[in-house]
Amino acid sequence: GESVGLHLPTLSVQEGDNSIINCAYSNSASDYFIWYKQESGKGPQFIIDIRSNMDKRQGQRVTVLLNKTVKHLSLQIAATQPGDSAVYFCAENMGYTSGTYKYIFGTGTRLKVLA
Amino acid sequence: DGGITQSPKYLFRKEGQNVTLSCEQNLNHDAMYWYRQDPGQGLRLIYYSQIVNDFQKGDIAEGYSVSREKKESFPLTVTSAQKNPTAFYLCASKPGLAGIETQYFGPGTRLLVL
Repeated sequence: GESVGLHLPTLSVQEGDNSIINCAYSNSASDYFIWYKQESGKGPQFIIDIRSNMDKRQGQRVTVLLNKTVKHLSLQIAATQPGDSAVYFCAENMGYTSGTYKYIFGTGTRLKVLA
Repeated sequence: DGGITQSPKYLFRKEGQNVTLSCEQNLNHDAMYWYRQDPGQGLRLIYYSQIVNDFQKGDIAEGYSVSREKKESFPLTVTSAQKNPTAFYLCASKPGLAGIETQYFGPGTRLLVL
């Protein structure tokens, strides 16, 4: 299948272990953040989001942590499964710019789950 | 893919040819976007539309054109002026014009040059 990123950082995790994927964002004024999962040759799939007035949000098997002090976002996946293998990237909402709310997207991290 | 469809899945362009990528959504979303994805890079915004019959250039609009004649449709034309069109093209939409709204993506179209 097609690769969405030939030279992405890769995180290899044993099946059943927890995964932590990190993202540094650029704009201290960004107020909304999203994590996406992208499988090879497919469109990005929404995983979880968080607003800047929160520092933690939990979903099903996923947790997003936001540290505004150092402009850092992380995605934690509990009990990683083979189906979690994909590229994960973050998006930050830059606020109202040139007539719209723009997103800036990270380049992504490839997660490989080892059986 | 959340109610956003893109076609075709693969598209081949000959040199000097214009090609059109389709994007349709049945989510009743106001805002629609086109992004380009290249290996090792984050998504880059080509064009966006917040309302029918209105659209704006994004960060890399040169060599592309769009139309928004219907709320559910936002086709992208890659013109012969785009000298490096090989990429994965993603269409996205979100409900309205507010900032804190999730963008949802279609399955993408891969454009290749013959």
